[in-house]
Amino acid sequence: RKEVEQDPGPFNVPEGATVAFNCTYSNSASQSFFWYRQDCRKEPKLLMSVYSSGNEDGRFTAQLNRASQYISLLIRDSKLSDSATYLCVGDQTGANNLFFGTGTRLTVIP
Amino acid sequence: DAGVIQSPRHEVTEMGQEVTLRCKPISGHDYLFWYRQTMMRGLELLIYFNNNVPIDDSGMPEDRFSAKMPNASFSTLKIQPSEPRDSAVYFCASSPVAKNIQYFGAGTRLSVL
Repeated sequence: RKEVEQDPGPFNVPEGATVAFNCTYSNSASQSFFWYRQDCRKEPKLLMSVYSSGNEDGRFTAQLNRASQYISLLIRDSKLSDSATYLCVGDQTGANNLFFGTGTRLTVIP
Repeated sequence: DAGVIQSPRHEVTEMGQEVTLRCKPISGHDYLFWYRQTMMRGLELLIYFNNNVPIDDSGMPEDRFSAKMPNASFSTLKIQPSEPRDSAVYFCASSPVAKNIQYFGAGTRLSVL
């Protein structure tokens, strides 16, 4: 079983729509979670950290559900520029590295 | 800071040749990570260093792969001999502390013919 798993998509949504991604993690002791964004043929870049209380950054909201062991990313009012692959990231007890999901591909359609 | 710097950006080589990928982490970052990304397997951790010391190399696919970090500002990933299945994008990332935000270089796109 992978440390973090996410639906690969693709998600094709119209401009202005709200879209949500979920990601499950296997280690109940994991503490650090992030969402990264990766544009085509570019490197992954941090989108936002995920805090226990949930956090919001403009049109983006991240949530952590420890009981069900998943994190989510909500994008409101989708823009064409939001088209990218979104990577779910978590840590593992006893290791100092992070584990990256395989990504969810989003395409925002005009 | 210029960020994590990788070279070369693109590498095309023939099967059996030696390939060396280079990485300069962000100054002051104690952790350096090497990843490989393919469509089929996504982003895979190959090896990571803490204060120039290799900590976990369990992701290195086989003995053909080796990595070094001779000082805090430079690391190499070497493949010898290279094979077509090694074709992928190789990313280097650095982080100031454990389990925290990692900053990626632009990657090296490797094609082994």
